[in-house]
Amino acid sequence: DAGVIQSPRHEVTEMGQEVTLRCKPISGHNSLFWYRQTMMRGLELLIYFNNNVPIDDSGMPEDRFSAKMPNASFSTLKIQPSEPRDSAVYFCASIPTGRGFTDTQYFGPGTRLTVL
Amino acid sequence: QKEVEQDPGPLSVPEGAIVSLNCTYSNSAFQYFMWYRQYSRKGPELLMYTYSSGNKEDGRFTAQVDKSSKYISLFIRDSQPSDSATYLCATLYSSASKIIFGSGTRLSIRP
Repeated sequence: DAGVIQSPRHEVTEMGQEVTLRCKPISGHNSLFWYRQTMMRGLELLIYFNNNVPIDDSGMPEDRFSAKMPNASFSTLKIQPSEPRDSAVYFCASIPTGRGFTDTQYFGPGTRLTVL
Repeated sequence: QKEVEQDPGPLSVPEGAIVSLNCTYSNSAFQYFMWYRQYSRKGPELLMYTYSSGNKEDGRFTAQVDKSSKYISLFIRDSQPSDSATYLCATLYSSASKIIFGSGTRLSIRP
């Protein structure tokens, strides 16, 4: 298996632009997580889906952030409009069907976002 | 106050040394404790997981939880340059709750 796939790997954009990050979880994994990692705040859970349904979005910082999972093999995280403080590495992770959060989460390589 | 506190380091030790990485947490309701390792420019990967208090050993790695003092430790014996990474502690209330991560400690093992 190719693992969790994220695109793009790097994104540089200007303040006010819309940014869309993409994630393809491992086949057979039914829970998907979006994280944000910065030096100041560490690794923070933004939102997670179970069977394509958003379960907990309490970590989404504000209305500028939105996430969707239209099917089991694809998810997007959108920031509109983007701001310099959104600069971070965004990770997507998935876990196998039937497993709990104490089992290993399989992380993608991350998208490094820079908002100028 | 953050729910999980971790010294960011960096921590630099010579090859072969015993490394001690530590975290403290604030909520006594946490039941599960994990350590993730993150190499530069990569996503984190689960290293070890323990439930409640006690020790767990896996090769050169030992995870220790002291719930009375709300203290989590990871010990690495015979450290190798390949152990150089950022180590994140994490906790959960239950296997169905979301993970709360510490900010990570950057470790460097000098050859």
